[in-house]
Amino acid sequence: DIQMTQSPSSLSASVGDRVTITCRASQAIRDNLGWFQQKPGKAPKRLIYLASTLQSGVPSRFSGSGSGAEFTLTISSLQPEDFATYYCLQFNIYPWTFGQGTKVEIK
Amino acid sequence: EVLLVESGGGLVQPGGSLRLSCGASGFTFTSYYMNWVRQSPGKGPEWVSDISGSGGTTHYADFVKGRFTISRDNSKNMLYLQMNSLTAEDTAVYYCAKEYNAVPLGHWGQGTLVTVSP
Repeated sequence: DIQMTQSPSSLSASVGDRVTITCRASQAIRDNLGWFQQKPGKAPKRLIYLASTLQSGVPSRFSGSGSGAEFTLTISSLQPEDFATYYCLQFNIYPWTFGQGTKVEIK
Repeated sequence: EVLLVESGGGLVQPGGSLRLSCGASGFTFTSYYMNWVRQSPGKGPEWVSDISGSGGTTHYADFVKGRFTISRDNSKNMLYLQMNSLTAEDTAVYYCAKEYNAVPLGHWGQGTLVTVSP
């Protein structure tokens, strides 16, 4: 199975900060990567797919980049509603696998 | 509007069985792969299984192979997950999810909780 490693596991940031989360795959996955946001008690919500395509309705402060085995999710200016846990997912080879998550907390 | 509603969760004893259902509306059900994803308490999501629009192709995570069966009834816009030989490690919220823009897991339901305990 492809292992997805996110870093950091958690971070503290302030409203307005620029935040970057990294996801590394144990082997190349082309651009078959998605980013998800999850708030407590809610289902994950996809933000980005195919590494850099913004899902409809997602604010433009979210962006994704990367290809192959290293990817990043960037929030350009953190908003109060962005405090959540973020997961990457590879869908290049079955079984699809998620990263372990990055919890974004208020500083 | 896409709507996915899971049901069928509950408390089941170890070794028992349960069938989860997911009702779909707001899109042409037969045109889309559907998935089950689970999330154990305090852990990240785990992909479980998917099924093609026709139902002819399925895939499973290794940890459920031989125990879980995914199926769909396109005449009823329903997705199912038959779970057998359940263990405590299967305790989780189970979500159904639909592909969107030809990419998996674009829309999710609200989830149904399965608890495996004596």
